[in-house]
Amino acid sequence: QQQVRQSPQSLTVWEGETAILNCSYENSAFDYFPWYQQFPGEGPALLIAIRSVSDKKEDGRFTIFFNKREKKLSLHITDSQPGDSATYFCAASNNNNAPRFGAGTKLSVKP
Amino acid sequence: NSKVIQTPRYLVKGQGQKAKMRCIPEKGHPVVFWYQQNKNNEFKFLINFQNQEVLQQIDMTEKRFSAECPSNSPCSLEIQSSEAGDSALYLCASSLGENTEVFFGKGTRLTVV
Repeated sequence: QQQVRQSPQSLTVWEGETAILNCSYENSAFDYFPWYQQFPGEGPALLIAIRSVSDKKEDGRFTIFFNKREKKLSLHITDSQPGDSATYFCAASNNNNAPRFGAGTKLSVKP
Repeated sequence: NSKVIQTPRYLVKGQGQKAKMRCIPEKGHPVVFWYQQNKNNEFKFLINFQNQEVLQQIDMTEKRFSAECPSNSPCSLEIQSSEAGDSALYLCASSLGENTEVFFGKGTRLTVV
């Protein structure tokens, strides 16, 4: 059972554009949603996270928008840079349960 | 930057052989997770610990996989009899606890030939 879904599977944007990565989940008990960035050959690195009591979290060029009613969230990367090219994973967890991950969105930023 | 240390980075084993990998969590993190990431980038949760106690584990872990997090020693994940389907990136992560940031190591890339 896929508890966390991500779309699109892959995304290409030009340098300077805003990339929008989508995520949805099924379990309404999830209340913590981190996003991870992973480069080939590396482990995932925590990028930004949001708790379900908030509807927006911003950190520099990265912003999470969260809609609890629809069980959806999105990661917006503004002013995309070639160095942002990576695979991005949305995850969800609650209490002490292990985070569940989506299948990722592979982002390519063209110069 | 994550301070979770995983060794070895690469591991090659024949089918039926044991495969053991280790993880040192970030200092002060009592919760440790193991995930398997396949070639399609899909994450599969295997097991997690709080201090030395198992919190959750999946059926696969109960059968061929064994894991432990002894006090004052690295955590470890061992596959008793490797199968071709076990080839994957094995990721260790740690956190302070409930709904706090989870930090990953660089992983151990296991290839079963």
